[in-house]
Amino acid sequence: EAQVTQNPRYLITVTGKKLTVTCSQNMNHEYMSWYRQDPGLGLRQIYYSMNVEVTDKGDVPEGYKVSRKEKRNFPLILESPSPNQTSLYFCASTDRGMNTEAFFGQGTRLTVV
Amino acid sequence: AQSVTQLGSHVSVSEGALVLLRCNYSSSVPPYLFWYVQYPNQGLQLLLKYTSAATLVKGINGFEAEFKKSETSFHLTKPSAHMSDAAEYFCAVTSSGYSTLTFGKGTMLLVSP
Repeated sequence: EAQVTQNPRYLITVTGKKLTVTCSQNMNHEYMSWYRQDPGLGLRQIYYSMNVEVTDKGDVPEGYKVSRKEKRNFPLILESPSPNQTSLYFCASTDRGMNTEAFFGQGTRLTVV
Repeated sequence: AQSVTQLGSHVSVSEGALVLLRCNYSSSVPPYLFWYVQYPNQGLQLLLKYTSAATLVKGINGFEAEFKKSETSFHLTKPSAHMSDAAEYFCAVTSSGYSTLTFGKGTMLLVSP
């Protein structure tokens, strides 16, 4: 089954404690991206990757890092989380770019206290 | 930069009534336009996509959308609402290089018996 898998689904952490949210896709997609969803703001892109070792900033990259060492994985790293990063995070992948259908993970609800 | 505006954060309809969710876009070039749906506690799922092949686009679950260049609109409709249509709906547009997908703020569709 084609899918994008995020882990964990829920996470509560404390300010400043480094964390990683993993994302993996099994469709051999070249393009992957991370979004955060906040009430009243919709989804905003954090980072994206057009292929292995190629990443770029989206609209709200501050406080986040990513890496793309393998085609299937695209982890999101928060080196020093702060309460304003409390949000619902989605990973997405597409075959080539965002003009093709995007497949989304189930989401990771992060709370930073 | 591309942007989309969704009119109405919440739309309420009765079961069997017409569903109309509004989306206006701003784009300097012919865009790729999408409607995605998010059911509770799930990721986003593609409903339909406009690619300039036809102005009336049919999607899954009986939804369709009409691209109107003169009005810069891409409204989503369904002739008869079903309880299972209750979800949040997002209109989205790609950037010219297809590297990003810009979402509207979303419209929550509420369906009453």
